[in-house]
Amino acid sequence: NAGVTQTPKFQVLKTGQSMTLQCAQDMNHNSMYWYRQDPGMGLRLIYYSASEGTTDKGEVPNGYNVSRLNKREFSLRLESAAPSQTSVYFCASTTEMSTDTQYFGPGTRLTVL
Amino acid sequence: GNSVTQMEGPVTLSEEAFLTINCTYTATGYPSLFWYVQYPGEGLQLLLKATKADDKGSNKGFEATYRKETTSFHLEKGSVQVSDSAVYFCALKQSGGYQKVTFGIGTKLQVIP
Repeated sequence: NAGVTQTPKFQVLKTGQSMTLQCAQDMNHNSMYWYRQDPGMGLRLIYYSASEGTTDKGEVPNGYNVSRLNKREFSLRLESAAPSQTSVYFCASTTEMSTDTQYFGPGTRLTVL
Repeated sequence: GNSVTQMEGPVTLSEEAFLTINCTYTATGYPSLFWYVQYPGEGLQLLLKATKADDKGSNKGFEATYRKETTSFHLEKGSVQVSDSAVYFCALKQSGGYQKVTFGIGTKLQVIP
């Protein structure tokens, strides 16, 4: 099992450009999450998907959209990137939202110039 | 709302030294408590957890005890190794339903030979 995979690993964008971060899990998990990690702020939840076909906003959803493409895949889109979105982005999954343990991908380091 | 407080560090220790990383939390009821570890260039992975008061979580020589009276979940290890160098995140999750995880800011540990 690969667990949770994310692409790309690194990305540099110019202000105003768009891009999609991809996430996939092969553990048959129902729930998936997108976090951003910033120095001094820990991890903050951007969006989550409790199950296939549903998505909900987390703490910091502004400037992002998500798509739960199927049970395996959960993508995060930046429509018009801003320097404030420079961060490390992590995807995670759990069996269910009521389950304790989260499994994380290796992260995408995004820089917006 | 829920919150988790931990020092950012870095904490620098010599190999074989004793480690304590403090974590305190604010939450209603009886959340589950976690320590996650992030090795350089990787995503977070669960280190240990405790789901009720006075429980002790342990893994890889690390321990933490759920103290309801002091709302704390301090991480300890008797003898650290260079390979323990990482960022350690304390986290909590309320039980039941669609409850999200609240993470602390992470404490960077550097172990020098």
